[in-house]
Amino acid sequence: NAGVTQTPKFQVLKTGQSMTLQCAQDMNHNSMYWYRQDPGMGLRLIYYSASEGTTDKGEVPNGYNVSRLNKREFSLRLESAAPSQTSVYFCASGQTRITDTQYFGPGTRLTVL
Amino acid sequence: EDQVTQSPEALRLQEGESSSLNCSYTVSGLRGLFWYRQDPGKGPEFLFTLYSAGEEKEKERLKATLTKKESFLHITAPKPEDSATYLCAVHPDRGGGNKLTFGTGTQLKVEL
Repeated sequence: NAGVTQTPKFQVLKTGQSMTLQCAQDMNHNSMYWYRQDPGMGLRLIYYSASEGTTDKGEVPNGYNVSRLNKREFSLRLESAAPSQTSVYFCASGQTRITDTQYFGPGTRLTVL
Repeated sequence: EDQVTQSPEALRLQEGESSSLNCSYTVSGLRGLFWYRQDPGKGPEFLFTLYSAGEEKEKERLKATLTKKESFLHITAPKPEDSATYLCAVHPDRGGGNKLTFGTGTQLKVEL
């Protein structure tokens, strides 16, 4: 099992450009999550999907959109990138029980110039 | 508002020098508390879940404990390969979804 995979690993954008971060999991999990990690801020939830066909905002959703393409895949889109979106982005997945463990991907390091 | 505070921010130990990392939390109710390990340039790796005060879990040189206000990650006789950032997260007992609130982590370095 590959677990949670993310592409690309690194990306540099110019302000105003758009891009989509891809995430896939092969653990048959129902829930998927997108986080960003910034120095001194900890991991913050951007969006999550409790099950296929549903998505909800997290703590910091502004400037992002998501798509739960199917049970395996959950993408994060930046429509018009801003320097404030420079960060490391992590995708995670888990079952949707009362408290389930979230398993993380390796991350995408994004720089917006 | 849910809060998670980890201390110290950074810790340097000699190999074999045992110590503890602290995670203090404020939530309306706790469904679960999680510990993760994160190596530089990698995603967080799951270590433990604790559900109720008094619970303890162990894995190799690590032992996690939970009280009503904090959790400790005890590291016994650490080795250099234990060097990493350790993250604590809580799952509040309210609302829908499985949304975690993370602390900012403790950066541990174990030296020979």
